[in-house]
Amino acid sequence: NAGVTQTPKFQVLKTGQSMTLQCAQDMNHNSMYWYRQDPGMGLRLIYYSASEGTTDKGEVPNGYNVSRLNKREFSLRLESAAPSQTSVYFCASSEGRRINQPQHFGDGTRLSIL
Amino acid sequence: GQSLEQPSEVTAVEGAIVQINCTYQTSGFYGLSWYQQHDGGAPTFLSYNALDGLEETGRFSSFLSRSDSYGYLLLQELQMKDSASYFCAVNSGGYQKVTFGTGTKLQVIP
Repeated sequence: NAGVTQTPKFQVLKTGQSMTLQCAQDMNHNSMYWYRQDPGMGLRLIYYSASEGTTDKGEVPNGYNVSRLNKREFSLRLESAAPSQTSVYFCASSEGRRINQPQHFGDGTRLSIL
Repeated sequence: GQSLEQPSEVTAVEGAIVQINCTYQTSGFYGLSWYQQHDGGAPTFLSYNALDGLEETGRFSSFLSRSDSYGYLLLQELQMKDSASYFCAVNSGGYQKVTFGTGTKLQVIP
């Protein structure tokens, strides 16, 4: 069982470059999420998609865009990367139709911006 | 907005019991969750409380008091492998939206 798969696992970018982080889940979940995790800051929600066809901003959406491509896939795009976006990015999914459903996380993408 | 407070670090002895507290301020509260994250790993779900009271899952228990906007995670019979960071999280502002605390780093010592 793959669960939530994120690609790439590691990436180094130069300031101003763009890239897309990919996320796919095989659990037929309705809701998907993108978080960033910085030392001592916990997990901060960037964007989420409550169901296919919808996306909403989280706490820290500036500098990011998302696409819910289909039920399985939810991508995160950095249009013009900045050093402040150096972080570990986690994608997660949950069943989403009931309240007490856990989030399942991918292994993360470690992104460094020089 | 939402905010959660939990201690940044806790140290406990192997075999002992430890409690990690979480207080929150939020609107539209739906429930409090707990996640475990080992260094370099992904967060994994531990428990969820929607109603007041204690939920028990093996060595782990979680408690919620909605009137006090407070919850805790109780870990019993601590093992070295329990050394990890523990995050509380609230479902609010639409139950699919989850806000995490900054985490408590638990160190279990022999």
